[in-house]
Amino acid sequence: LAKTTQPISMDSYEGQEVNITCSHNNIATNDYITWYQQFPSQGPRFIIQGYKTKVTNEVASLFIPADRKSSTLSLPRVSLSDTAVYYCLVGDIWFGGGGADGLTFGKGTHLIIQP
Amino acid sequence: SAVISQKPSRDICQRGTSLTIQCQVDSQVTMMFWYRQQPGQSLTLIATANQGSEATYESGFVIDKFPISRPNLTFSTLTVSNMSPEDSSIYLCSVGRTGAMNTEAFFGQGTRLTVV
Repeated sequence: LAKTTQPISMDSYEGQEVNITCSHNNIATNDYITWYQQFPSQGPRFIIQGYKTKVTNEVASLFIPADRKSSTLSLPRVSLSDTAVYYCLVGDIWFGGGGADGLTFGKGTHLIIQP
Repeated sequence: SAVISQKPSRDICQRGTSLTIQCQVDSQVTMMFWYRQQPGQSLTLIATANQGSEATYESGFVIDKFPISRPNLTFSTLTVSNMSPEDSSIYLCSVGRTGAMNTEAFFGQGTRLTVV
């Protein structure tokens, strides 16, 4: 399993773009990168998943450089409601996504958005 | 997607007693997963529950402490046995889905357990 390293916490302001970087130097060829968001008193929620280059959905963008040893979750124009813990997970498509195998969560990044 | 309902949402229990947490999914799934999240911590996988066979436990978790049932493809229970204050945590169940674009996990709202 590829170990992931994220900042423990980040602060930003409403309307700003927030980028959270995750390092995963030991990522394997079959591994995907998946990000989850967790609000207090709720279970984690899937945000985005990618293998290489750039992935964008209605919530976020995920940037993955060619060597895939890191990835950056980009949240455009954050609001107070984006205050949450963000987890970066790396594993093959089943592991990282929670299909046949469970997930291994790191410590995550506590993102605090201020007015 | 998958909608997961957990019961109870929270409970306060006396040490030495047991609590059974129920997890209901709105569609049939092969695997269901149970996690624990201790206060201020990340999630830790307890076990994988596969219908028709015994659950598979992760290192540090044993069946005698956390017995799991999986009677059908939409339901599972996790029992926290002989509880101590160290078992105070949020317990979450989860299922995985593979769609056209992604493979993702869905989680219940969790059961907040306090042992006194």
